[in-house]
Amino acid sequence: ETGVTQTPRHLVMGMTNKKSLKCEQHLGHNAMYWYKQSAKKPLELMFVYSLEERVENNSVPSRFSPECPNSSHLFLHLHTLQPEDSALYLCASSQDPRGTEAFFGQGTRLTVV
Amino acid sequence: EDQVTQSPEALRLQEGESSSLNCSYTVSGLRGLFWYRQDPGKGPEFLFTLYSAGEEKEKERLKATLTKKESFLHITAPKPEDSATYLCAVQAKTGGGADGLTFGKGTHLIIQP
Repeated sequence: ETGVTQTPRHLVMGMTNKKSLKCEQHLGHNAMYWYKQSAKKPLELMFVYSLEERVENNSVPSRFSPECPNSSHLFLHLHTLQPEDSALYLCASSQDPRGTEAFFGQGTRLTVV
Repeated sequence: EDQVTQSPEALRLQEGESSSLNCSYTVSGLRGLFWYRQDPGKGPEFLFTLYSAGEEKEKERLKATLTKKESFLHITAPKPEDSATYLCAVQAKTGGGADGLTFGKGTHLIIQP
């Protein structure tokens, strides 16, 4: 069992829908991240949370809204997405937000139709 | 702006044929360089962290090295199960707060039996 669990694994949504991605880490880490992985592009950092506070937002459109209710859970709320938002969304956690390795979940494959 | 360039983009080897993957980076100040392995449809799996030039890490058939400008992932006598995409990422030293990783596009490695 991976230390970082993401649900759902696959999601198909229309452009007018609202959905949420969930991430849970069982590693006792203090930082959590959302990354986007599109075909032929490097992983792109979206958001960073350290001790439940958002410390970085990499110019992500407002149709993506993160939420971190506690140090073990992270959500990504989605609304009015575009087809180009279709990608693999990866959650990760690390013990320390500075200089320690991040551990990734299996990702949510999102398709916007 | 931090940049990571990996080469080659794809590499096909025969089983037992050793080779090296390259990761060139540009960063204002390196906090850490990370290697990951990613299988299709899955999240990246952590392999190594390197912090300073001259450092080396080994794990089974893999050995990672670091200089001030690049890192190499050496694969010795690879097996078909080593087939995957290998990702390199850097974390920069910044003024404060938490920082995510800047990734390269990866090297897609295929080991033929």
